[in-house]
Amino acid sequence: GNSVTQMEGPVTLSEEAFLTINCTYTATGYPSLFWYVQYPGEGLQLLLKATKADDKGSNKGFEATYRKETTSFHLEKGSVQVSDSAVYFCALSDPGNFNKFYFGSGTKLNVKP
Amino acid sequence: DVKVTQSSRYLVKRTGEKVFLECVQDMDHENMFWYRQDPGLGLRLIYFSYDVKMKEKGDIPEGYSVSREKKERFSLILESASTNQTSMYLCASSLWGAGTLGEQYFGPGTRLTVT
Repeated sequence: GNSVTQMEGPVTLSEEAFLTINCTYTATGYPSLFWYVQYPGEGLQLLLKATKADDKGSNKGFEATYRKETTSFHLEKGSVQVSDSAVYFCALSDPGNFNKFYFGSGTKLNVKP
Repeated sequence: DVKVTQSSRYLVKRTGEKVFLECVQDMDHENMFWYRQDPGLGLRLIYFSYDVKMKEKGDIPEGYSVSREKKERFSLILESASTNQTSMYLCASSLWGAGTLGEQYFGPGTRLTVT
């Protein structure tokens, strides 16, 4: 079946530190991959996406590369800010049913000034 | 901008009550979804709908039902609320084929407490 595994949190960093949140997936075909972010008190919003192998998604200084050989889609940012504090979810779309998404358990990021 | 709204941000109900959670989207999306979000478990799909009057069970449909009488509105129903249904409920919508074409758009969530 389809599933997403991401590193457990919380992750606590100082401002301007480098961020990596690991995400690996299992899928029967070639899914599209996504990172969503949930700020306190809000719903999820799309951060970035990649639809095929070797694609790199990027937005707001965050990046993730679709690695088919390692079935991974790790999220990175070179210099985090306090405003990046949120919960980050990795997700994939079902290759057999592109209307359906599978989400990881979420990783909470705390950035301290 | 796509807007997905949910009828309540916070709701407190008693065990055994019938509970209705309403979701409305304004972008003419075909697909609508209900998830519940619990710490350590992430988002789990309860039900989704491809079209008016169409519905499909997700991963955890037990204890829930849904209704979609109009394209813009998708309701989640707890027939007899129980304490293990205390959770954050998130509604989302998307275009058909959103996995490759786009994304899901989420509402702000309803935090339901069943006492």
